[in-house]
Amino acid sequence: GNSVTQMEGPVTLSEEAFLTINCTYTATGYPSLFWYVQYPGEGLQLLLKATKADDKGSNKGFEATYRKETTSFHLEKGSVQVSDSAVYFCARSNQAGTALIFGKGTTLSVSS
Amino acid sequence: KAGVTQTPRYLIKTRGQQVTLSCSPISGHRSVSWYQQTPGQGLQFLFEYFSETQRNKGNFPGRFSGRQFSNSRSEMNVSTLELGDSALYLCASSLAGDGSQETQYFGPGTRLLVL
Repeated sequence: GNSVTQMEGPVTLSEEAFLTINCTYTATGYPSLFWYVQYPGEGLQLLLKATKADDKGSNKGFEATYRKETTSFHLEKGSVQVSDSAVYFCARSNQAGTALIFGKGTTLSVSS
Repeated sequence: KAGVTQTPRYLIKTRGQQVTLSCSPISGHRSVSWYQQTPGQGLQFLFEYFSETQRNKGNFPGRFSGRQFSNSRSEMNVSTLELGDSALYLCASSLAGDGSQETQYFGPGTRLLVL
């Protein structure tokens, strides 16, 4: 089916550790891919996006590369901070571009 | 530019009642989408409006409805509330929503509790 699968959390890291959150998708065609972040009590904020194969989205030290061969869009950050603690959602656009299909979300907890 | 605003932020209702939530998109954005977020089901797409017309609808019962006004503001309505409707309802806006490259910008959400 058409879905987005991301790794189960919670992910618990120490400050300055390396972060990877895996995300794979199934879709017809080549959707745009997104990572959104949700801080406690807030709505979703766009973290980064990629619109075609081999594109790399980056923002605030986070990166993700659109891999068509593996249908993946893994999120990485070289050195996490306590302030990165949040829930991270991977999403893809539907074919018409009128809706987003989300993964279940991954909770990241960073301790000092 | 102001972001997406949603009112009210919190709401408590009882079973059987109905509720209306409001969303004002970013100025210039004409597409408004609604999502339901629950711990069990995650984020699920409800519907999308553009130029006062519903263009896309998710898999929700007819109790969930919406509309969009000429100024692009949107409302969603849930009738005959059930306990399972307790959720965070998120609104998102984009320029035209007609291309997969567009970004949707989300509001802070309305948290609905049904007792």
